[in-house]
Amino acid sequence: DGGITQSPKYLFRKEGQNVTLSCEQNLNHDAMYWYRQDPGQGLRLIYYSQIVNDFQKGDIAEGYSVSREKKESFPLTVTSAQKNPTAFYLCASSVARERELFFGEGSRLTVL
Amino acid sequence: QKEVEQDPGPLSVPEGAIVSLNCTYSNSAFQYFMWYRQYSRKGPELLMYTYSSGNKEDGRFTAQVDKSSKYISLFIRDSQPSDSATYLCAMLGSGANNLFFGTGTRLTVIP
Repeated sequence: DGGITQSPKYLFRKEGQNVTLSCEQNLNHDAMYWYRQDPGQGLRLIYYSQIVNDFQKGDIAEGYSVSREKKESFPLTVTSAQKNPTAFYLCASSVARERELFFGEGSRLTVL
Repeated sequence: QKEVEQDPGPLSVPEGAIVSLNCTYSNSAFQYFMWYRQYSRKGPELLMYTYSSGNKEDGRFTAQVDKSSKYISLFIRDSQPSDSATYLCAMLGSGANNLFFGTGTRLTVIP
């Protein structure tokens, strides 16, 4: 079945470590997105990509990095520069801008 | 002022009740309006997608957009325990890259 796969589902990290969250989609969507979800704050956009080898910063990109080497893949790295990385991270894709987003099941990162 | 305001609830209703979920917004450029349902520890899934003002019905769900009041609603008829989830509104302006999400309303339908 078509969909978005995020891994790992749960991840624990020590302070000062970088960690990479995986996002793979087989929907043949051009656009992919990373959101962060915190209680009481809704979803906030970290990075998005509309085409391979191109991506743009969202509202809260500081301390994060991404790559888009393949259409199907959009990994997110949470670096040690991110001051408050504990959160639920959601990857999404869409056919194009202005179309509905399809979300993965999320990755919960906890910094110890 | 936030772009999108949504009452976080929680909201508890008995099974069979009609549920009304609402969002207000400040940006008159928003043209695309969506409602997502998110079960606990899962990603959001799209429920309704509407363009501009008016009503859209899909089974027990009706989405309503009133652009003059900058107000959108989602109505759930004959609510079921399986409707218990957090409901997120989202909206987008033409030519924009970013969806603006509400904080979500947590709904519990009691059997």
